Amino acid sequence: ETGVTQTPRHLVMGMTNKKSLKCEQHLGHNAMYWYKQSAKKPLELMFVYSLEERVENNSVPSRFSPECPNSSHLFLHLHTLQPEDSALYLCASSQEWGLITDTQYFGPGTRLTVL
Amino acid sequence: AQKVTQAQTEISVVEKEDVTLDCVYETRDTTYYLFWYKQPPSGELVFLIRRNSFDEQNEISGRYSWNFQKSTSSFNFTITASQVVDSAVYFCALRGGLKAGANNLFFGTGTRLTVIP
Repeated sequence: ETGVTQTPRHLVMGMTNKKSLKCEQHLGHNAMYWYKQSAKKPLELMFVYSLEERVENNSVPSRFSPECPNSSHLFLHLHTLQPEDSALYLCASSQEWGLITDTQYFGPGTRLTVL
Repeated sequence: AQKVTQAQTEISVVEKEDVTLDCVYETRDTTYYLFWYKQPPSGELVFLIRRNSFDEQNEISGRYSWNFQKSTSSFNFTITASQVVDSAVYFCALRGGLKAGANNLFFGTGTRLTVIP
């Protein structure tokens, strides 16, 4: 089983749809992350969860709603999205948020297109 | 403030050539970590290396080598004898030291490397 998996890999949705992205890590890590990757822009950190508790929320619009039911799973619930939300959404995990030697490991991403 | 600059947007080389990807960073922290990740067409960011600010020794791993120069705030990445499989986008990233939010990574905009057979 690969370290960090994401489903679906591709998603096309209309602006009125509701969908969810799923991330699962098999590394025994305690922290999980959502990033947004848009063309020509640096990766943007969206949310951080440590031990299932949200510790970072970087001014992300409320149409993005994260959920972390346990330390192995992370969801990103999407509703009423805009075309500019089209991007690659990457999930990552790390051993322990705040640990100085911590390293993040990434999943393959979900390519989201909003029509 | 933390900032990472990768001035090279795209680079093309012919197979077997050496190529260096530049990374310049800004930070006020005295303790920090620098990273390189590779993003192949499949999308996943693959971790390549982590260096801390107290270790300026250059590192070599197979065809990959990293040159950390604190005096110029640079952490450059060289691929020797490039191969087609090296084609990817490469990201340099910075993480600050011992304070709240220190685990946040600040990424550069990436350098797209194309190795032509």
